[in-house]
Amino acid sequence: DAGVIQSPRHEVTEMGQEVTLRCKPISGHDYLFWYRQTMMRGLELLIYFNNNVPIDDSGMPEDRFSAKMPNASFSTLKIQPSEPRDSAVYFCASSLATGVGGTDTQYFGPGTRLTVL
Amino acid sequence: KQEVTQIPAALSVPEGENLVLNCSFTDSAIYNLQWFRQDPGKGLTSLLLIQSSQREQTSGRLNASLDKSSGRSTLYIAASQPGDSATYLCAVYTDKLIFGTGTRLQVFP
Repeated sequence: DAGVIQSPRHEVTEMGQEVTLRCKPISGHDYLFWYRQTMMRGLELLIYFNNNVPIDDSGMPEDRFSAKMPNASFSTLKIQPSEPRDSAVYFCASSLATGVGGTDTQYFGPGTRLTVL
Repeated sequence: KQEVTQIPAALSVPEGENLVLNCSFTDSAIYNLQWFRQDPGKGLTSLLLIQSSQREQTSGRLNASLDKSSGRSTLYIAASQPGDSATYLCAVYTDKLIFGTGTRLQVFP
């Protein structure tokens, strides 16, 4: 398997523009996670899905952020409108469903580095 | 609220040294603890996962221990190599993974 695939790897945009980040999880994994990493706050969970259904979106910072998972092999994270403070690296991860609450190892994608000017 | 702290924040050692990275967490009600490695510009790679009922896990030159009651974990790296240079993150799983801020390790030849 190619692992978790994210696109684009880098995104530079201007404040106010819409940004869409994409993720393809590892085939057969039931859980998909979106994280954000910044120098100030470290790595934070934004939202996660189980079998394409959003389970916990309490980490989504504002209504400007939305995430979808239309099928088992694709998810998007959208920011509209984008702001400079959204600049960060966004990671997608996936895992198998084992144990309680999906406690199996999470496999991370390479991340998307977003810069909002 | 669960908080995860890693000490030291950065570490620079000569090749061949054995070293210990520390992780502490404030709430012992965890399902597991994981150690990850992150290389610059890359994603995270899982190194070891310790279930809450376990005391340690080993993989090659890496050994991770867990003392849930005291809220501590250590990652022991034996005979360090320049290729071990990376940021090491620990994370505890409650209803989600909560990450520490990491230890940036540099091993020089």
